[in-house]
Parts: sequence; structure tokens; C-alpha cells
Amino acid sequence: GENVEQHPSTLSVQEGDSAVIKCTYSDSASNYFPWYKQELGKGPQLIIDIRSNVGEKKDQRIAVTLNKTAKHFSLHITETQPEDSAVYFCAASNNNYGQNFVFGPGTRLSVLP
Amino acid sequence: EAEVAQSPRYKITEKSQAVAFWCDPISGHATLYWYRQILGQGPELLVQFQDESVVDDSQLPKDRFSAERLKGVDSTLKIQPAELGDSAMYLCASSLVRRGREDTEAFFGQGTRLTVV
Repeated sequence: GENVEQHPSTLSVQEGDSAVIKCTYSDSASNYFPWYKQELGKGPQLIIDIRSNVGEKKDQRIAVTLNKTAKHFSLHITETQPEDSAVYFCAASNNNYGQNFVFGPGTRLSVLP
Repeated sequence: EAEVAQSPRYKITEKSQAVAFWCDPISGHATLYWYRQILGQGPELLVQFQDESVVDDSQLPKDRFSAERLKGVDSTLKIQPAELGDSAMYLCASSLVRRGREDTEAFFGQGTRLTVV
């Protein structure tokens, strides 16, 4: 089955700097890669996603890149703000098989004012 | 904005007791998932429904866990008997997706924090 790894497990950046979180997946059939932000005591919130027919997607300060050949994808947050502090999860799934999401272990991002 | 509703938000139960969680997905969402999230880890799938049918329960400990979605709308996850190791956040998510479609975004509820003592 699918296995998703995520690095780093913790990340501290100064406010205004950029943050990058990287994930790798094992199943070449995976074709959908969402990113979730989870604040303390809350459920994961979808912040951006990318499909395998696209190499990059951007939404304001957040961007995701996908390298299908290497089977890795990354989340980029620019101009970080204290409210970006949270745990971020990447996930992978194969829509052809009904969308079972496999999550990475998470990255705790701290944005220092 | 439509949301996935879960209740209760918090539950404390003694080991060997029964406990149940409820989830109401976003209206019209065909796919419903139950995930378990242990503190400090990513969510792990317990069961996935397409309408009222189970499509994946391979990771559900069936000796003590059960799940149903009788009318293809809301769902209940039950644990009987609860064990200390069941302490976790139980998350429900829903998605429009039907197999092969591109409407794949999944939205999570706020979860139920279970503590077994």
C-alpha cells in the first residue's frame, strides 16, 4: 500500500521568512495530493491540493509543487505570519480506487514574531 | 459554509465500556471517512463509506469497532469494549467523490477527543 513520509517533523522560522515542507510517496498510482493545516484541538483544514497532471499550483502565499518522477511534493509558504503556526499534513491518494487518503506524520510549524 | 458535524467533541469513558461517535457529512457528499489520529501522528483510516456501503474497512479492529451509515447520510462509529489504547481523536471527513470523478476534496469535522480511563 501507499506510504507517505514527511520532513521535517518540526520547523521554526522568523515571521516574514519562507517555510518549506517536503513529502515523498511510494505508490506511483497516487494522483491526488492535498495539504492540510491542523490547529490545536481542531480537525484538519484543507489549504491546497494538486493533481498529478499539474506540476505546480499557487494560492496567494501558499504553493505546492509535484515531481511525479521522483514521487515527491512540497508545500511552500512565503511571508510567514504567526497565524501560520500549526501542524501541517500532506496526503496522497488514488482517485481511481475511491480516494483513500494516506497521511504523512505531520510537520509542526512555528512562526516566531 | 457547509461543515462536517461531529458529536460529542469530547468523551471520557472507562475501559470496557461502550462509546459511540456521530458524524453528519456535508450535504450531498457521497463518501464518508472515519479516521483515528493518535496524538502527534497523522490520521489513519478506519473505515470508508460510499453512500451506505463500506468500501474499505481493512484497518478497522472489527472485534471491538463497528461503523454504519444506514441511509447513506450520517454515520455512527462504535467501540465496545473500549480499551486504554483507544484514546485518540476520531475524525470524520466527507467528499463528493464517486469513483473516477475529479471532485476529490475531503473536508474534516472538528473531531471527537476520546479518553479511556
